[in-house]
Amino acid sequence: AQSVSQHNHHVILSEAASLELGCNYSYGGTVNLFWYVQYPGQHLQLLLKYFSGDPLVKGIKGFEAEFIKSKFSFNLRKPSVQWSDTAEYFCAVIPYSGAGSYQLTFGKGTKLSVIP
Amino acid sequence: GAGVSQSPSNKVTEKGKDVELRCDPISGHTALYWYRQSLGQGLEFLIYFQGNSAPDKSGLPSDRFSAERTGGSVSTLTIQRTQQEDSAVYLCASSPGQVADTQYFGPGTRLTVL
Repeated sequence: AQSVSQHNHHVILSEAASLELGCNYSYGGTVNLFWYVQYPGQHLQLLLKYFSGDPLVKGIKGFEAEFIKSKFSFNLRKPSVQWSDTAEYFCAVIPYSGAGSYQLTFGKGTKLSVIP
Repeated sequence: GAGVSQSPSNKVTEKGKDVELRCDPISGHTALYWYRQSLGQGLEFLIYFQGNSAPDKSGLPSDRFSAERTGGSVSTLTIQRTQQEDSAVYLCASSPGQVADTQYFGPGTRLTVL
């Protein structure tokens, strides 16, 4: 079965700092990759996704992520964070085909706190 | 357009009681999923529906958990004889139904078992 590792449990940044959240997955086949965000008191929302094509994908609110197949990684980045980015971020994968190609496997999540 | 909706938003129950959690998917989405979010376990997959059938129930934690979907739309997750370890946020998601598709989540039901 696949697994997802998020390297940081809690990240604290000042406004305007750059952000990079790590995500690694273990699965031998082709996967679709997602980052979801959960703002305080709100539900999980899709931030961005990678299915195929350009490994650098752009999402909402200035976020981007890069898929590096050789490293099984899908790291999330933002050049300059804002206080409103304070949230919990979840990396998730789903096998593109075969058994379980409907089941999202999530990382444990990274809490981001942005200090004004 | 309308997103996934879930009811109730909060449910407090006593140990041993049965509870029903409801999910209304996005209109036209054929696939529906239930997940559980708890402090210790993170986000766990419970069950998946394609139409009204559930090809994979292996994520259900015990036989006290069951789910059904009717009319290819609304789904109900039932937990019988609730235990304190069932306390969690139960999330429902739906997708258009293609393989490995994007899943859109509802706000969840926070279940507290006293």
